[in-house]
Amino acid sequence: DSGVTQTPKHLITATGQRVTLRCSPRSGDLSVYWYQQSLDQGLQFLIQYYNGEERAKGNILERFSAQQFPDLHSELNLSSLELGDSALYFCASSTRWSGEPNEQFFGPGTRLTVL
Amino acid sequence: GEDVEQSLFLSVREGDSSVINCTYTDSSSTYLYWYKQEPGAGLQLLTYIFSNMDMKQDQRLTVLLNKKDKHLSLRIADTQTGDSAIYFCAEGLPHSSASKIIFGSGTRLSIRP
Repeated sequence: DSGVTQTPKHLITATGQRVTLRCSPRSGDLSVYWYQQSLDQGLQFLIQYYNGEERAKGNILERFSAQQFPDLHSELNLSSLELGDSALYFCASSTRWSGEPNEQFFGPGTRLTVL
Repeated sequence: GEDVEQSLFLSVREGDSSVINCTYTDSSSTYLYWYKQEPGAGLQLLTYIFSNMDMKQDQRLTVLLNKKDKHLSLRIADTQTGDSAIYFCAEGLPHSSASKIIFGSGTRLSIRP
């Protein structure tokens, strides 16, 4: 158990809908990262937050947004969903906001299926 | 550019050594990582190596780094059925205000009896 929790475990929705994925980092970790894992794209970095502020952006679509709250949990919002958004979404946390080595602790993931 | 490449599949016999290879593109990477993903789980850090090192050994795991060729490998000695997983190579990109890791597509290791 990494100490990172993600809810829900599974989510099935329809195209055009909007969903929110939730992540609680390990106790004491201030950085939260979101990743998308799909069969054809591998593991893609989406976005990083540190202590409530956005720190780095990867291949995140404009239809997606995220935020980190004062209690450090984070939410990833996916809107106008398309079939291609079906994937595993992972959250990870770490103590660092920059610099290395950067050990990231991954949650179990949320499997999103868009029908 | 930022790109990490690995082969998708590797099959080895139980008890043999497994060697998983990876190439990366960013010469400014300071740390290189190996993560393991077991079925139905998130990724877990196995080991990492600093870019000025050639080799790092940790029990059954040996990491070799050829910085000139930007080639990284992970050797698992005496491979066991519990080693069946997807192994991700990743490079850490130094940045003053963020901490970004680029992952490869993962190598699925399967073990033959």
